Amino acid sequence: GQNIDQPTEMTATEGAIVQINCTYQTSGFNGLFWYQQHAGEAPTFLSYNVLDGLEEKGRFSSFLSRSKGYSYLLLKELQMKDSASYLCAVRDGDYKLSFGAGTTVTVRA
Amino acid sequence: GAVVSQHPSRVICKSGTSVKIECRSLDFQATTMFWYRQFPKKSLMLMATSNEGSKATYEQGVEKDKFLINHASLTLSTLTVTSAHPEDSSFYICSARDFNEREAGDTQYFGPGTRLTVL
Repeated sequence: GQNIDQPTEMTATEGAIVQINCTYQTSGFNGLFWYQQHAGEAPTFLSYNVLDGLEEKGRFSSFLSRSKGYSYLLLKELQMKDSASYLCAVRDGDYKLSFGAGTTVTVRA
Repeated sequence: GAVVSQHPSRVICKSGTSVKIECRSLDFQATTMFWYRQFPKKSLMLMATSNEGSKATYEQGVEKDKFLINHASLTLSTLTVTSAHPEDSSFYICSARDFNEREAGDTQYFGPGTRLTVL
C-alpha cells in the first residue's frame, strides 16, 4: 500500500517563500509528482522527480530524497493566485498515482 | 502540456438513473486513462485504470458493475454510473497518460472534472 503525508494547511505572505513537505512510504516507486489544484477544478501538473536532487522550474522547485522517502515543493515570490491546494503524488511500477491529502496554501497580502 | 476534456462538467440526476461521463485526450493518444473521485477537501481516490481495447482494472472496493468503464478508442474513455444514488454524488476526474512527455517520461494530465449530484 501507499502512505503519503503532507501538512494540511499553510499560510504565507505575498512575495514570501513557502516549502511544502511530503513524506511517503510506498510499495513501489517510479517517480514523485506535484500538482496544483484550485477549488472545484482539476489538478494541473507542476513538477516531477524520479532521481534525487532539486528540479527548478521558474518560481517552483521540487526536491526528492528517495532514501529518506521525502520530497518538498518550494514556492518562491508568492502571488495571490498561488492560493490553492498542492498535491503530492507517488507513481508506482504500474504507473498508477497515489495522492496525499493535499496542502491548502493561503497567500495573504 | 497535453489537453484532456471531460463532458459534462456538471450533472444533476434523479436517484436510480444512469449517468455517462466522457473523457477525451484532445492532442495526444492515450492508451491508458484513469478515473478518480474526490470528496470535498479530500484527495483524489483512484477508482480504475482504463486501457484501450481491454477491460478496465478496478481498485479494491470499487464496484465494477456500478461504475462501467469503456475505453473504445485511443482518445476516449467513458465512465457510466449506473443506478445512481445520493452517495454517488462526488467530483469525478479523469486523467490520460501521455507517453510523449519528454520532461516526465510520461505523466498524467487531468480533465477538468465532472460534478455529479444525485437527488
